[in-house]
Amino acid sequence: GQQVMQIPQYQHVQEGEDFTTYCNSSTTLSNIQWYKQRPGGHPVFLIQLVKSGEVKKQKRLTFQFGEAKKNSSLHITATQTTDVGTYFCAGRYAYSGAGSYQLTFGKGTKLSVIP
Amino acid sequence: KAGVTQTPRYLIKTRGQQVTLSCSPISGHRSVSWYQQTPGQGLQFLFEYFSETQRNKGNFPGRFSGRQFSNSRSEMNVSTLELGDSALYLCASSLAQGAPDTGELFFGEGSRLTVL
Repeated sequence: GQQVMQIPQYQHVQEGEDFTTYCNSSTTLSNIQWYKQRPGGHPVFLIQLVKSGEVKKQKRLTFQFGEAKKNSSLHITATQTTDVGTYFCAGRYAYSGAGSYQLTFGKGTKLSVIP
Repeated sequence: KAGVTQTPRYLIKTRGQQVTLSCSPISGHRSVSWYQQTPGQGLQFLFEYFSETQRNKGNFPGRFSGRQFSNSRSEMNVSTLELGDSALYLCASSLAQGAPDTGELFFGEGSRLTVL
């Protein structure tokens, strides 16, 4: 079936260091979304990328969508303790019937920030 | 604007029992999706409903079922519970205007099910 692979599974960084998580799909994605889940919380939408090669920034967060629309990355510059949580990518594939494009989540990258 | 509401938040069941979880989407949202979250498997898609019709179904056994009502509220049911069904069940709603669906998902707090 369609899968979105996400690495690394865990990442421990010192506060102030950078962090990157990567997502990869074997087939072309229609678009990709990123979510953040704080410990004990629920996933919260961060951003959506649609165009090939698209780059979007949100303060210290930079999101990229690959040229082939098969991979994506989230980079956080100078991590802070407030960045702690699990980051999920979610890829939407081409039409899966009945008017819906299925959203498939990666397994997430759990970020720990050491103060 | 109220968010996605899931009930109950916590529940404990024993093997063989059945459970029904409820989800009230954000007002105006017509699409409701259900996900199972476990530490080892991440977020796994169960099914999606739109205007009372199941549009998509994940790779789960028939013990997992759902439905959506005319007011967009949704329920999911798990029959003959197994130990492996212990998980956080998340409901998410989206505006889902037109196709292709590109809307963001708004998640509820989840229902944490423990099967003993």
